[in-house]
Amino acid sequence: GIQVEQSPPDLILQEGANSTLRCNFSDSVNNLQWFHQNPWGQLINLFYIPSGTKQNGRLSATTVATERYSLLYISSSQTTDSGVYFCAVASMIKAAGNKLTFGGGTRVLVKP
Amino acid sequence: DTEVTQTPKHLVMGMTNKKSLKCEQHMGHRAMYWYKQKAKKPPELMFVYSYEKLSINESVPSRFSPECPNSSLLNLHLHALQPEDSALYLCASSQDAWGSGNTIYFGEGSWLTVV
Repeated sequence: GIQVEQSPPDLILQEGANSTLRCNFSDSVNNLQWFHQNPWGQLINLFYIPSGTKQNGRLSATTVATERYSLLYISSSQTTDSGVYFCAVASMIKAAGNKLTFGGGTRVLVKP
Repeated sequence: DTEVTQTPKHLVMGMTNKKSLKCEQHMGHRAMYWYKQKAKKPPELMFVYSYEKLSINESVPSRFSPECPNSSLLNLHLHALQPEDSALYLCASSQDAWGSGNTIYFGEGSWLTVV
């Protein structure tokens, strides 16, 4: 099946700093989402971005599908940005359905 | 606020108990999912329902039994679980299961502890 790798695995930031999270995937995809998992376990959908660039407030994401990677940018980080960020993809094989495969996550801690 | 609602939020059950996790969505989605997440690991797919029919079963043990009574509801029946089944169980939904452009939305999860 499709492989998804995220880097770095852990990230410690000072409040106000900027950061970039990376997601590499091994096959063509028709679905790529970035999630933020809060300490209570909820997965919050940040972006649906199988290709192109999107921005939402202090967060933005870029996916270069031809090179099989996606980047999540966090600007002016806040303590509420702490948590685990997951990249998840679904391959283009129809038989796979909308079967999201998650990367290992990047655990982010923003210090005040 | 999430539009996928899961109950209960927390469940403690013995290995001989029978319990159920429930999930509801009112977004008109026709695909619903169960994921399992162990501590410090990413979520892993268990089941996919498309138009109320089971379309994907990721070789899940039979002590987990999914049910989709209608397009808005998804249950996960639990019986004779093992302590290693303790995990966060996440329900999700999307417009459908097979096309592109399907954002998947997750509920808040049900924390299950098997004693």
